[in-house]
Amino acid sequence: DVKVTQSSRYLVKRTGEKVFLECVQDMDHENMFWYRQDPGLGLRLIYFSYDVKMKEKGDIPEGYSVSREKKERFSLILESASTNQTSMYLCASTRTAASSYEQYFGPGTRLTVT
Amino acid sequence: AQSVTQLGSHVSVSEGALVLLRCNYSSSVPPYLFWYVQYPNQGLQLLLKYTTGATLVKGINGFEAEFKKSETSFHLTKPSAHMSDAAEYFCAVSLYQAGTALIFGKGTTLSVSS
Repeated sequence: DVKVTQSSRYLVKRTGEKVFLECVQDMDHENMFWYRQDPGLGLRLIYFSYDVKMKEKGDIPEGYSVSREKKERFSLILESASTNQTSMYLCASTRTAASSYEQYFGPGTRLTVT
Repeated sequence: AQSVTQLGSHVSVSEGALVLLRCNYSSSVPPYLFWYVQYPNQGLQLLLKYTTGATLVKGINGFEAEFKKSETSFHLTKPSAHMSDAAEYFCAVSLYQAGTALIFGKGTTLSVSS
């Protein structure tokens, strides 16, 4: 069964802390994505990666960075957390050669920055 | 540029009533279209998708959607609502290129009353 896991379901951090959100997929997918979900705004793309060590900025990359050292793992890094980064973070993956490009999502990490 | 508009951020129906969630897209080429559902504190789950072929698509849990190119719409319907259908629903589009991120609408919260 397809699986995308995220390291934490709930996380509370203080302003200024460096925060790591981890995502792992077991489907050998080439492409991985980080989205941020806020009420009334839907899902917005932060960063994505189409291969190991490759990354592309999405719509809202400011304040975030990513790392993809292995195919199955894609990390989102908040260099210095701020209260406006309190949100639900969703990781997704998909195969490049897929016929339909549907994305598979993890359960999400609800981050609160105080 | 592609965009997705979901009409109505909240929809309320009675149990047993018809469910209709509206989605319109803007794209220079016919896109691939998706409906995802999100239950509280969970990730997104694919309900159904349209790629090519038959324009009426059936998904899980009794949902279906019809791709209407002339109206640039992909509305989601279910003949008879169940209490368990209460969730947030997202419409999304993707270009043909594999590995590209999905563009999501802002979501519609469906409430079902007994």
